[in-house]
Amino acid sequence: EAQVTQNPRYLITVTGKKLTVTCSQNMNHEYMSWYRQDPGLGLRQIYYSMNVEVTDKGDVPEGYKVSRKEKRNFPLILESPSPNQTSLYFCASSLTGRVDTQYFGPGTRLTVL
Amino acid sequence: KQEVTQIPAALSVPEGENLVLNCSFTDSAIYNLQWFRQDPGKGLTSLLLIQSSQREQTSGRLNASLDKSSGRSTLYIAASQPGDSATYLCAVQMIKAAGNKLTFGGGTRVLVKP
Repeated sequence: EAQVTQNPRYLITVTGKKLTVTCSQNMNHEYMSWYRQDPGLGLRQIYYSMNVEVTDKGDVPEGYKVSRKEKRNFPLILESPSPNQTSLYFCASSLTGRVDTQYFGPGTRLTVL
Repeated sequence: KQEVTQIPAALSVPEGENLVLNCSFTDSAIYNLQWFRQDPGKGLTSLLLIQSSQREQTSGRLNASLDKSSGRSTLYIAASQPGDSATYLCAVQMIKAAGNKLTFGGGTRVLVKP
């Protein structure tokens, strides 16, 4: 089944404890991105990747890192999480990033205490 | 700056009634417009993608129209069912969007009563 998977789905952590949210797609898509969803602010792009080893900042990249060492995986790294990073995170992918349907993962609900 | 608006924010209809969801955007320089469904605690499911050159797309009971010149899209859901209860989001992809990002509306929360 074609899909985007994320792990973990739920995470409660404490300020400053490094964490990684994994994202994987099995559709051989070149383009991947991360969004966060917050009440009243909607979905905002954090980082994106046009292809392997090519990543760039979205609208809200502060406090996040990403890597794209292989096509299928695009992990989101929070090196020192803070409470304002409490949010619902979505990974998305599409074939090229333009004019294609974008497929979203199931989401990761992160709480930083 | 592109702004995407969905009105109303919430909608409640009896089962069997047709649903009409509206989406408006301020900048018509778009590649496409996509409609998503979001269920509580779950991800976004893509419903329909309309390219900027298209006027409408259909899938089963769903029909989405696009009027790029007026900056509007409408999602029609025929003969609504309780299982259609969810939040519906529209998103546009602008031609000049850095990162090929989608700009989302705030969503319309739909409740279909049995």
